Amino acid sequence: IAGITQAPTSQILAAGRRMTLRCTQDMRHNAMYWYRQDLGLGLRLIHYSNTAGTTGKGEVPDGYSVSRANTDDFPLTLASAVPSQTSVYFCASSDSAGGTGELFFGEGSRLTVL
Amino acid sequence: GQNIDQPTEMTATEGAIVQINCTYQTSGFNGLFWYQQHAGEAPTFLSYNVLDGLEEKGRFSSFLSRSKGYSYLLLKELQMKDSASYLCAVMDSNYQLIWGAGTKLIIKP
Repeated sequence: IAGITQAPTSQILAAGRRMTLRCTQDMRHNAMYWYRQDLGLGLRLIHYSNTAGTTGKGEVPDGYSVSRANTDDFPLTLASAVPSQTSVYFCASSDSAGGTGELFFGEGSRLTVL
Repeated sequence: GQNIDQPTEMTATEGAIVQINCTYQTSGFNGLFWYQQHAGEAPTFLSYNVLDGLEEKGRFSSFLSRSKGYSYLLLKELQMKDSASYLCAVMDSNYQLIWGAGTKLIIKP
C-alpha cells in the first residue's frame, strides 16, 4: 500500500528555473492539498483541490500553480523559482473535501532555490 | 486575524506525563486536530475533537474547550519514540485548516 507518494524527495534548483513537484495517491481520495512548511511557521496551504477537475487557492498561492486532471495526481508547478520558495513541500489528501477527515501526508519534497 | 498558539519547545522525562497546550482564535470552528511529526518525516494524525471534553486513545488524550478556545494533548508513560513535534490545527468556518507552528517535544532518559 503506497498511500501518497511525492517526487522528487529533494532538489536543488537555480533561481528562474521551472520545477514540478509530483504527487500521486492510490486511496481514491477526493480532496488533495499542497502545503509548505518553514521553520518556525505552521503548515501553509498553497493550493487545494476538492475533486478532480477543480482547484482552489490557499493562503500562499503566488508563484505556484496546480492541476487536477484525475483523482490520483496533483502536481505543483513553480513557473520561475525564487529563493523564498526554498522550503519543504508536503502533499496531502483526505477522503472528504472540507470535512472532518484526517489528512494523509506524503513524505515531503525538500526544495532549495539558489 | 486567525491565530494558533502553542509552546515552541518542551522537555520531559521518559515514563512521565506531559501536557501540550494549544490556544486558538479563528473565524468559526469546525474541529481541532493534533498531528505528530518526527524530524524529517510527514505529519501523522493523532486526534480530532469537535465537542468539548476529553478524547482518550491509548497513551494519548486530547481535550477541548470551545468556550475558552483551548485544547491540550496529554501524553502518558512517555517513551523515547515520542520525541517529535506536535502540531495543533483548527478547521475554521470555511473548512480551512489553520496550523500552529508546532511544539517540539524532547524526551530525556
